[in-house]
Amino acid sequence: AQKITQTQPGMFVQEKEAVTLDCTYDTSDPSYGLFWYKQPSSGEMIFLIYQGSYDQQNATEGRYSLNFQKARKSANLVISASQLGDSAMYFCAMREGLGFQKLVFGTGTRLLVSP
Amino acid sequence: SQTIHQWPATLVQPVGSPLSLECTVEGTSNPNLYWYRQAAGRGLQLLFYSVGIGQISSEVPQNLSASRPQDRQFILSSKKLLLSDSGFYLCAWSVAPNYGYTFGSGTRLTVV
Repeated sequence: AQKITQTQPGMFVQEKEAVTLDCTYDTSDPSYGLFWYKQPSSGEMIFLIYQGSYDQQNATEGRYSLNFQKARKSANLVISASQLGDSAMYFCAMREGLGFQKLVFGTGTRLLVSP
Repeated sequence: SQTIHQWPATLVQPVGSPLSLECTVEGTSNPNLYWYRQAAGRGLQLLFYSVGIGQISSEVPQNLSASRPQDRQFILSSKKLLLSDSGFYLCAWSVAPNYGYTFGSGTRLTVV
């Protein structure tokens, strides 16, 4: 079964608007971490934001916030005030358990920001 | 500061030729190291990971192998490349538990 599901292959948003990228996950481990990465056309993977399963508040990093709904097993990325430079692939990933880290990635969402 | 180096950036190799991709990390000791592959337009697939020198775990049986001859060096190899080995190969290392991976810049391999 898929551990990380990103159902949106592509998303479009206008500059300065907010956009939500969906991510659902599947785990029976009570301890896990959720990550979002950005991959521009150059191919590099850029870490954006992290949410731990025991964190009480939603994570925020500048224009990025993570809408963490534990009961629904969803960890959606919200980008506020989109910029042209936000156009990229976005990947959701999960680490299960404590200790050694092994990240499992979703298939990604391609975001296009238009002027 | 901690950095990760991966080379070459691009590589075109004929079918049946050998492969060696190298990844080195600076500024840390005993990192966890990973090799991922990304097929065109797809997500990342974990190929190998290593928790220490000489310790290699394989996630997917395939035509590739990995080695860790030194603490901060991780090598991905193949004796004979297949067309299906084409893809974007990313090396990564893990930092603090809540910081995920730090990735190298990747190698785009095309097998012809």
